[in-house]
Amino acid sequence: AQTVTQSQPEMSVQEAETVTLSCTYDTSESDYYLFWYKQPPSRQMILVIRQEAYKQQNATENRFSVNFQKAAKSFSLKISDSQLGDAAMYFCAYRTPYNNNDMRFGAGTRLTVKP
Amino acid sequence: GAVVSQHPSRVICKSGTSVKIECRSLDFQATTMFWYRQFPKQSLMLMATSNEGSKATYEQGVEKDKFLINHASLTLSTLTVTSAHPEDSSFYICSAIGGEQYFGPGTRLTVT
Repeated sequence: AQTVTQSQPEMSVQEAETVTLSCTYDTSESDYYLFWYKQPPSRQMILVIRQEAYKQQNATENRFSVNFQKAAKSFSLKISDSQLGDAAMYFCAYRTPYNNNDMRFGAGTRLTVKP
Repeated sequence: GAVVSQHPSRVICKSGTSVKIECRSLDFQATTMFWYRQFPKQSLMLMATSNEGSKATYEQGVEKDKFLINHASLTLSTLTVTSAHPEDSSFYICSAIGGEQYFGPGTRLTVT
């Protein structure tokens, strides 16, 4: 079974600075999808960014970008120009294209943004 | 973007009673929906995969007789917690696949 590991339970960043959240995963599949989700206090899951494993180019969405290292099975999230609204729990997730496309989550990283 | 709703958003029930949680895809059809459970300050744990018109697939360790899942239509899946106990108190989140995977806002269940 696939596992997702987030080794940073908490991270803190100064407003306007850059922070990187780490994620590693374990899989024997060659094709899959990786995601970063944000969960604010409302607990609504918000998709931040996604990456298809077959794409070598790292995904970017405005201030959010990833460093996808397929061989190392690493998928980190970089948040640039951090804003107070970025404070939330961030979950890394793996989704298989097989087996009903189920999604597995890491333990999460709580990000605090200091003004 | 696509919207997934859950009802109720909060429910309090007495120990021993059953409670039903609905998950609806509002603007797309979903042959597959997922039910997750999230304890405070923890991650989302997949409980089961709900397939329209067939039996749900439960993750190891999830009691299928306790957590009844029905996916009767392409837009509705229900999770019924039967004979609820305080340890079933949790945040339950559903998601549906409509191209991407969309998440509902969650249901907070408190069993007293």
